[in-house]
Amino acid sequence: DADVTQTPRNRITKTGKRIMLECSQTKGHDRMYWYRQDPGLGLRLIYYSFDVKDINKGEISDGYSVSRQAQAKFSLSLESAIPNQTALYFCATSDMGDEQYFGPGTRLTVT
Amino acid sequence: AQSVAQPEDQVNVAEGNPLTVKCTYSVSGNPYLFWYVQYPNRGLQFLLKYITGDNLVKGSYGFEAEFNKSQTSFHLKKPSALVSDSALYFCAVSLWPGNTGKLIFGQGTTLQVKP
Repeated sequence: DADVTQTPRNRITKTGKRIMLECSQTKGHDRMYWYRQDPGLGLRLIYYSFDVKDINKGEISDGYSVSRQAQAKFSLSLESAIPNQTALYFCATSDMGDEQYFGPGTRLTVT
Repeated sequence: AQSVAQPEDQVNVAEGNPLTVKCTYSVSGNPYLFWYVQYPNRGLQFLLKYITGDNLVKGSYGFEAEFNKSQTSFHLKKPSALVSDSALYFCAVSLWPGNTGKLIFGQGTTLQVKP
């Protein structure tokens, strides 16, 4: 987990607020991903990036945006948070199509 | 559409007994298959993967999984369970060729190993 870090680890925010979750990696991977985890639903892909200039929507991108500031940094923003965005958010990295390495997660609560 | 199913929400097993966590998949191409484990308050950790070759794949912590193409299954197994194996387990699939690295996850199975 130390190779992929996420900040903050926990966050409580109010409906309508903008919030940014940050991810950094030291594995030197080009590919980075953002997922959300909800009980009973597994992990669902929000956005993914194959390099700094390549960003793609995942299956549940509505209400989210991302920024790939550098090879090692990939941030996720909620422009106007809503309660059903309360979830556990994970960042991951991979080398080509190989296994993914996950960060420790950010627990986000929107009240 | 591609999908992964883990038919059991929870698996209970006594320490020392063999364990199996089931996974079936539905894809339109050749699958890459993965198992991950999640301990409380931690991120997912990679256990093992099947890409091609031998249908029996060995991974971390004594786990193994068997790829069965005819049954489209990739069940996770361990000959002798430990209490410390108690965790949430996820099966995932991506596609080759044209592998983008995007993973489709099952809903997860909680493994409870009792002393």
